[in-house]
Amino acid sequence: NAGVTQTPKFQVLKTGQSMTLQCAQDMNHEYMSWYRQDPGMGLRLIHYSVGAGITDQGEVPNGYNVSRSTTEDFPLRLLSAAPSQTSVYFCASSHNPLAGINEQFFGPGTRLTVL
Amino acid sequence: QQPVQSPQAVILREGEDAVINCSSSKALYSVHWYRQKHGEAPVFLMILLKGGEQKGHDKISASFNEKKQQSSLYLTASQLSYSGTYFCGTEISADSNYQLIWGAGTKLIIKP
Repeated sequence: NAGVTQTPKFQVLKTGQSMTLQCAQDMNHEYMSWYRQDPGMGLRLIHYSVGAGITDQGEVPNGYNVSRSTTEDFPLRLLSAAPSQTSVYFCASSHNPLAGINEQFFGPGTRLTVL
Repeated sequence: QQPVQSPQAVILREGEDAVINCSSSKALYSVHWYRQKHGEAPVFLMILLKGGEQKGHDKISASFNEKKQQSSLYLTASQLSYSGTYFCGTEISADSNYQLIWGAGTKLIIKP
């Protein structure tokens, strides 16, 4: 099993550009989530999904879109990049969240810089 | 709403013990603990549920005091491999909105 994979590992964008961060998992997990991690602030939830076709907003959703057309993939789209979106982005997945969130498996992260 | 972790950082000698606390202003359903090494992804340690027992594996254990809305992580006889930043994530109910709210982290440095 590859676990949770993310691409790219590093990305530099100019203000106003758009891009998609890719996330895939091969563990048949229902729950997938996107976090951003900024120095001294821990992890903040951007969007999450409890299954294919179902997505919802987290703590800091503005400027980001997601979709979940398959169980395996959960891409994160930056609509118009801003310097405030410079961060490390982690994708995570876990089994069946219906009785509370379970152990999450994190991808290796994408380090994004917006100039 | 973000839980408060204390201390922010701690430096230990190998073999010493450490306690990391996670306090919330809201009643909690569960507390999740993860460790993150520099430049790597967070790795799961354990989950403590409301009404559940203290958990542990190897020399790392944790407790959950529901009345105080607080969890503590105990690292006994610390090893060099325990170095990293420890995060707690909190969930306010089992069917809330499937969201974890994370603390800012506690940096643990173990010296030989």
